[in-house]
Amino acid sequence: DGGITQSPKYLFRKEGQNVTLSCEQNLNHDAMYWYRQDPGQGLRLIYYSQIVNDFQKGDIAEGYSVSREKKESFPLTVTSAQKNPTAFYLCASSIDIHVDTQYFGPGTRLTVL
Amino acid sequence: KNEVEQSPQNLTAQEGEFITINCSYSVGISALHWLQQHPGGGIVSLFMLSSGKKKHGRLIATINIQEKHSSLHITASHPRDSAVYICAVRSLGGSQGNLIFGKGTKLSVKP
Repeated sequence: DGGITQSPKYLFRKEGQNVTLSCEQNLNHDAMYWYRQDPGQGLRLIYYSQIVNDFQKGDIAEGYSVSREKKESFPLTVTSAQKNPTAFYLCASSIDIHVDTQYFGPGTRLTVL
Repeated sequence: KNEVEQSPQNLTAQEGEFITINCSYSVGISALHWLQQHPGGGIVSLFMLSSGKKKHGRLIATINIQEKHSSLHITASHPRDSAVYICAVRSLGGSQGNLIFGKGTKLSVKP
């Protein structure tokens, strides 16, 4: 089955530690996205990638970093510079950046203690 | 003021009721999306609209570009429709990759 996987589903980290969230897709999509969801707020774009070895900042990129070394993978690192890292993180992909319909992963709930 | 506003924020219905969720936006758009987020967190795309009306099963989505308004209707609602419904738009001036999301409408359908 084609789709997007994110792991782990729940992640706990101590304050001051960097943590990397995994996102893998086997849909052969060129574009991938990372969103953050907080209670009572709409999804906000952190980073997106149009193609391998390319990525762009979204609205709330500060304190985050990404890489796109492979078409299938778009990991997100939450660094210690992110002031409020506790949130629900969603990864998505689309055929390319010009196609609006995005396919979402199941999400990772990160809690920083 | 948010660029995408949804109403109501929360909605409780009895099984079988006709449900309407509204989305208003303040920017010019090239497309509007309705998404469904299940209690576990996963999100599914329901519709993408640029004009008129679309129907899929018991779900109907309409958009009025002049009034900058869209509605999502659910006919013969069922408890399995319980989810958060999210409206998102691609603004005409928006950068590639950037959808603007509403805060969502939490629907609970009671048996």
